[in-house]
Amino acid sequence: SQTIHQWPATLVQPVGSPLSLECTVEGTSNPNLYWYRQAAGRGLQLLFYSVGIGQISSEVPQNLSASRPQDRQFILSSKKLLLSDSGFYLCAWRFLGLVAFFGQGTRLTVV
Amino acid sequence: DQQVKQNSPSLSVQEGRISILNCDYTNSMFDYFLWYKKYPAEGPTFLISISSIKDKNEDGRFTVFLNKSAKHLSLHIVPSQPGDSAVYFCAASGYNQGGKLIFGQGTELSVKP
Repeated sequence: SQTIHQWPATLVQPVGSPLSLECTVEGTSNPNLYWYRQAAGRGLQLLFYSVGIGQISSEVPQNLSASRPQDRQFILSSKKLLLSDSGFYLCAWRFLGLVAFFGQGTRLTVV
Repeated sequence: DQQVKQNSPSLSVQEGRISILNCDYTNSMFDYFLWYKKYPAEGPTFLISISSIKDKNEDGRFTVFLNKSAKHLSLHIVPSQPGDSAVYFCAASGYNQGGKLIFGQGTELSVKP
């Protein structure tokens, strides 16, 4: 069966520090991978998605970047965090354009 | 540019009654729609989906209706239970969207005993 792992679950980082969130999927090949953010009291905003290794589509110009170094690994990064980067970050995978399955999320607080 | 909209941020329903959650979309190229349920501090969980070739899909207490001409879909929960209290998101994707999956803003459902 397929599983998705996202870590860490919570993170508190100072303004200006770097960020690296990792997501890995097991049990499937060549999935579509997604990073979403849910700001406080808001919906799920699509940040990045990837349909293959090294292929990244960015939805919102921002302080973040994403990379897909391996087929089932998706990384969200920032060189210098801003206060506005705080939120709940979710990774998801999707196969054959159908249902997307989400990780448990990372609560990021930038202080 | 909000392509998927859930205009009701919250909904309160009595236990045993029907809950109706609505979603509108603007992109006529969307051809697959999904509903998710989300609890705080957790990832969304998939509930039910519908393809644009259908106008209804049913799974137990959950039914999704799609009205393509109105670009509108709805999720019906019958009967509603207190455990259904959560935030519900609709999402949409299209064959020409390059794998993109767009979510609405969510509706918080509260089912009161």
